[in-house]
Amino acid sequence: EAGVAQSPRYKIIEKRQSVAFWCNPISGHATLYWYQQILGQGPKLLIQFQNNGVVDDSQLPKDRFSAERLKGVDSTLKIQPAKLEDSAVYLCASSFHERLGTDTQYFGPGTRLTVL
Amino acid sequence: QKEVEQDPGPLSVPEGAIVSLNCTYSNSAFQYFMWYRQYSRKGPELLMYTYSSGNKEDGRFTAQVDKSSKYISLFIRDSQPSDSATYLCAMSLSGSARQLTFGSGTQLTVLP
Repeated sequence: EAGVAQSPRYKIIEKRQSVAFWCNPISGHATLYWYQQILGQGPKLLIQFQNNGVVDDSQLPKDRFSAERLKGVDSTLKIQPAKLEDSAVYLCASSFHERLGTDTQYFGPGTRLTVL
Repeated sequence: QKEVEQDPGPLSVPEGAIVSLNCTYSNSAFQYFMWYRQYSRKGPELLMYTYSSGNKEDGRFTAQVDKSSKYISLFIRDSQPSDSATYLCAMSLSGSARQLTFGSGTQLTVLP
């Protein structure tokens, strides 16, 4: 079974530029998550999709971050304009479905963003 | 105060040692407790999952949850160099949304 795919793996941009990240979840997984992991910290949830609908985006800085999941499969996360503090690893995760009990989240390798 | 506190380490042990990793939390509503392992330049992978209080064992790994103390632990027996990674605790509330709150991670190195 293929895992969660993300691209690009690394990105370096100047502040105030825009950047986009792409995620392809595991086939059949209805739920998709975007996390931000700053160096030395645990991942922080930015947005959660159930199919192509947003479940929670309460921690997404909506003035500069946007995300979409068209057709309930692939997703893109965009930052425009980027700030220095956006330097982090952006992780995408997916899970089969939300249900009672464990619903394992499978993480991709992440995109490491450096904002200069 | 962070919702989930975890000693960042780094922790360095000799091969074969027993490793103890811990997290404390402040939100008594957390019901699901997990440990993730994250190798350098990789995404986290789920190691152990526990619901509510109690112990769970899987091979060399044992997870313990003490809800009365708001304290969770991961023990690694007979540690191996391949266990060298960052270990993240994570927890979530009951209900339909499995949103995880992570600790900051403990960096472990097992020396051969």
